[in-house]
Amino acid sequence: AQSVTQPDIHITVSEGASLELRCNYSYGATPYLFWYVQSPGQGLQLLLKYFSGDTLVQGIKGFEAEFKRSQSSFNLRKPSVHWSDAAEYFCAVGPFTGGGNKLTFGTGTQLKVEL
Amino acid sequence: DTAVSQTPKYLVTQMGNDKSIKCEQNLGHDTMYWYKQDSKKFLKIMFSYNNKELIINETVPNRFSPKSPDKAHLNLHINSLELGDSAVYFCASSLAGWQEQFFGPGTRLTVL
Repeated sequence: AQSVTQPDIHITVSEGASLELRCNYSYGATPYLFWYVQSPGQGLQLLLKYFSGDTLVQGIKGFEAEFKRSQSSFNLRKPSVHWSDAAEYFCAVGPFTGGGNKLTFGTGTQLKVEL
Repeated sequence: DTAVSQTPKYLVTQMGNDKSIKCEQNLGHDTMYWYKQDSKKFLKIMFSYNNKELIINETVPNRFSPKSPDKAHLNLHINSLELGDSAVYFCASSLAGWQEQFFGPGTRLTVL
């Protein structure tokens, strides 16, 4: 079965510092990978996605992620964090054959930004 | 020009009651979903519909019954509400099953 691990439950960074959020997946084939962000009391917004091709993908709000097949990872990065980036970040993988088109989400990483 | 909308945003009710949550998308997508987010923010899919046809049912209690009158709408009816049903319920849609999903703002259900 597919699974997603986000090892960091909470991360705190200073405004202007760089950010890396980790995501590891378990999947039997080439996955479709996503990063979503959830601000307090809001729905989920797609930051970026990887389907195929270039392993470094650019997303909205200055975020990027790199797919590394050898490490089964899809880490999210941002060179300079803004206070408005404080939110919950979810990595997701899917779909997979035989399971329909569902996404499997990680448990999320809560980002706090110190001013 | 809201893409995926849900009503109501908040729902507070007593145990044993029956309630419904409505979802509509104006993106022209073929696939719609219901997710449950628990108090620890864990997101889990409940149902998925493709062109009004149920394609995923993730061992959800049969007190939960989704209905899709057309491919732009997916409603969730819950019978005999229990305390454990308290959660945030998100509707989502995608153009095709393998593409990115767009989420609604969520419905926070509180069962007292």
